[in-house]
Amino acid sequence: DGGITQSPKYLFRKEGQNVTLSCEQNLNHDAMYWYRQDPGQGLRLIYYSQIVNDFQKGDIAEGYSVSREKKESFPLTVTSAQKNPTAFYLCASSGLASNSYNEQFFGPGTRLTVL
Amino acid sequence: RKEVEQDPGPFNVPEGATVAFNCTYSNSASQSFFWYRQDCRKEPKLLMSVYSSGNEDGRFTAQLNRASQYISLLIRDSKLSDSATYLCVVNPYSSASKIIFGSGTRLSIRP
Repeated sequence: DGGITQSPKYLFRKEGQNVTLSCEQNLNHDAMYWYRQDPGQGLRLIYYSQIVNDFQKGDIAEGYSVSREKKESFPLTVTSAQKNPTAFYLCASSGLASNSYNEQFFGPGTRLTVL
Repeated sequence: RKEVEQDPGPFNVPEGATVAFNCTYSNSASQSFFWYRQDCRKEPKLLMSVYSSGNEDGRFTAQLNRASQYISLLIRDSKLSDSATYLCVVNPYSSASKIIFGSGTRLSIRP
């Protein structure tokens, strides 16, 4: 089945540790995105990538890093520099980057909790 | 002014009622518009795209008013399963680089 997978579903981290969240898609989509959602809040864009080996900062990139070495994969690292990392992290992808009418499809998300 | 604004609700309506949400956007050059549905502790899922002429999908009708810069979602004959948060999404760019999510309107259908 085509879709977006994220792992792990739940992640617990001690303060000061870096953690990497996985996102994989087999939809052959060009563009991929990472969002953060806090309780009762909307989605905020962390990073996005329109093409392999290229990515741009979103609205809240500080304390996060990404890579896009393969079209299918867009991992997100939450570094120790991120002051308040406990949140629900959502990965999404969309089709041709040049088409503004392409909707985004989401993975099931990763809930990160810092202990 | 926020780029995309929604009434957070909650809207609490009886089963079978008709309910409507509006969403306003600030960028008049916005290209495309969507409604997503998000269940509690789940990912958002596309409900429908919004086209200039308006579009309908079963009990759901979406409309776009470019002059007043808002989109709307109408749900007829509401079901218990319609209880969710509805996210308004706007793409103000000519590419799929970024889209802007509203904070969502929470809908609760009571028996």
